[in-house]
Amino acid sequence: AQSVTQLGSHVSVSEGALVLLRCNYSSSVPPYLFWYVQYPNQGLQLLLKYTTGATLVKGINGFEAEFKKSETSFHLTKPSAHMSDAAEYFCAVSDWVDTGNQFYFGTGTSLTVIP
Amino acid sequence: NAGVTQTPKFQVLKTGQSMTLQCAQDMNHNSMYWYRQDPGMGLRLIYYSASEGTTDKGEVPNGYNVSRLNKREFSLRLESAAPSQTSVYFCASSEVATRDQPQHFGDGTRLSIL
Repeated sequence: AQSVTQLGSHVSVSEGALVLLRCNYSSSVPPYLFWYVQYPNQGLQLLLKYTTGATLVKGINGFEAEFKKSETSFHLTKPSAHMSDAAEYFCAVSDWVDTGNQFYFGTGTSLTVIP
Repeated sequence: NAGVTQTPKFQVLKTGQSMTLQCAQDMNHNSMYWYRQDPGMGLRLIYYSASEGTTDKGEVPNGYNVSRLNKREFSLRLESAAPSQTSVYFCASSEVATRDQPQHFGDGTRLSIL
């Protein structure tokens, strides 16, 4: 089965600073990887995904992530944090099991942006 | 653009009571999912329906049942609620049940069981 590890359950950055949220995966097949963001009292919104092709993936709100097979990583970055980026971020890997696709989520990283 | 709609948004139950959580999507998606979210544990899959007429267990199915009523609707039932089922429940859908398809989430149902 696939799995995802998010290092750091809480990350704080100053407004304007680099955002780096870490995600490492375990997969027996080429992975399909996703980042989602969750704002308070809301559902998850897709930020970006990697399936095949270019290993640097650009998403919404200025976020991007790089797939590194040798490091089994898919870290999320943003060059300059904004107050509106404060949220919970989840990394996920998808897998095919018998009858359908399943997502396996990390435990999440809560991002705080300090003014 | 409604997307995935969940009802109710909040609910408080007593131990032993039953309840059905409703989910409907208007994106003509084939696959639907139910997750629970608990602090420090991320999202865990309860049940999913790859297509209309099929349902399968996920990681944590015990204590729950589901019904795929039609292509749009996928309900989750707690027959005899327990305090351990206090959680936030999310419904999601995807166009098809393939690995490259993202899932689209509703805003959740916050359920407390006393």
